Amino acid sequence: QKEVEQDPGPLSVPEGAIVSLNCTYSNSAFQYFMWYRQYSRKGPELLMYTYSSGNKEDGRFTAQVDKSSKYISLFIRDSQPSDSATYLCAMSPYNTDKLIFGTGTRLQVFP
Amino acid sequence: DSGVTQTPKHLITATGQRVTLRCSPRSGDLSVYWYQQSLDQGLQFLIQYYNGEERAKGNILERFSAQQFPDLHSELNLSSLELGDSALYFCASSSRMGNEQFFGPGTRLTVL
Repeated sequence: QKEVEQDPGPLSVPEGAIVSLNCTYSNSAFQYFMWYRQYSRKGPELLMYTYSSGNKEDGRFTAQVDKSSKYISLFIRDSQPSDSATYLCAMSPYNTDKLIFGTGTRLQVFP
Repeated sequence: DSGVTQTPKHLITATGQRVTLRCSPRSGDLSVYWYQQSLDQGLQFLIQYYNGEERAKGNILERFSAQQFPDLHSELNLSSLELGDSALYFCASSSRMGNEQFFGPGTRLTVL
């Protein structure tokens, strides 16, 4: 079993929809949680960075962490075709900077 | 643009050869990380340097090595290359321990 599980998709939604992306993990030592967006053949771009449980909002993006359930989510409001990309969750424990990535969810937003 | 630069963008070489990938971190960042992204394994952590010192190692093969220089740029050396080493290699940097990591554009390595 992988430490971080993420549905690979693809997830296809119409423009303007609310998108929900999720990851589950097994290592209770994970403390730092991140979401990256990766366009084809480009480097991952950091979208959200959260520490421990709770919510964080940044524009159209909201990240949620539920450590009791070992579950993290990224919500995208008013999705746009330009949001079409692969979304990767990543996390690390408190005592190392090594990031463990999910496999990524491919999102397609159609006009 | 994350501020992390990597050269070259593309590299095509033959099995058994050796290559060097270069990374310049964001201005002021002391930590450099190397990751490998392949279709079957996803993004995998290879190694971390902090201010010139090796800080953490992941699933890095013995044929691979890295270093960070006094000006904080880093190089990843891959030797005795095999077909399976074909992948995207990313460098990331952060300003301090436990902080968010910013990725470069990557080097696409093709081993023929």
